[in-house]
Amino acid sequence: DQQVKQNSPSLSVQEGRISILNCDYTNSMFDYFLWYKKYPAEGPTFLISISSIKDKNEDGRFTVFLNKSAKHLSLHIVPSQPGDSAVYFCAASGYGGATNKLIFGTGTLLAVQP
Amino acid sequence: NAGVTQTPKFRVLKTGQSMTLLCAQDMNHEYMYWYRQDPGMGLRLIHYSVGEGTTAKGEVPDGYNVSRLKKQNFLLGLESAAPSQTSVYFCASVTGELSSTDTQYFGPGTRLTVL
Repeated sequence: DQQVKQNSPSLSVQEGRISILNCDYTNSMFDYFLWYKKYPAEGPTFLISISSIKDKNEDGRFTVFLNKSAKHLSLHIVPSQPGDSAVYFCAASGYGGATNKLIFGTGTLLAVQP
Repeated sequence: NAGVTQTPKFRVLKTGQSMTLLCAQDMNHEYMYWYRQDPGMGLRLIHYSVGEGTTAKGEVPDGYNVSRLKKQNFLLGLESAAPSQTSVYFCASVTGELSSTDTQYFGPGTRLTVL
């Protein structure tokens, strides 16, 4: 039972254009959402997060949108750069009490073409 | 400040052999986690610890044991390795409640192959 879903295994965009990565979740107890970026042979690194009390959070070129009624969040990267090419994982927290446990999606491989 | 380190980086085992993966963090974090990453599966939580001397099961704990004798170290053990445990293992830690300035920090991973 996949509680956090990333239905697009891969995405290809042109440099300078917008990248939109999507994530859906099923558990309404989740109250905090994160995006991690992962390069090959490295550990995931934190990118941006959003609390369930907000619907948007922006950090430079990265914006995360949360639609609680649809149980959907998205990551927008504008403008996309070749260095953004990586696997992006969506993660959710809030279901395990004070344990900070995360449930991860399966990831989306983003390829930004020069 | 090395962050989160993992030892070893690579290992090949034969079925039935045992081994221990070491995770160390120098950030004085309370919470530590072990994940495995498999193709098409994302990261799945194996075991976690909310403080020195504590451990708890995650989503996929079978076949693994853990110990947190020291706050900075979190060990993952495989008593009798099986081919299904071939995976990339990541350790992570966080100091407290998740926020925009405090999140899980990951180690570089250990690639384990069980023949």
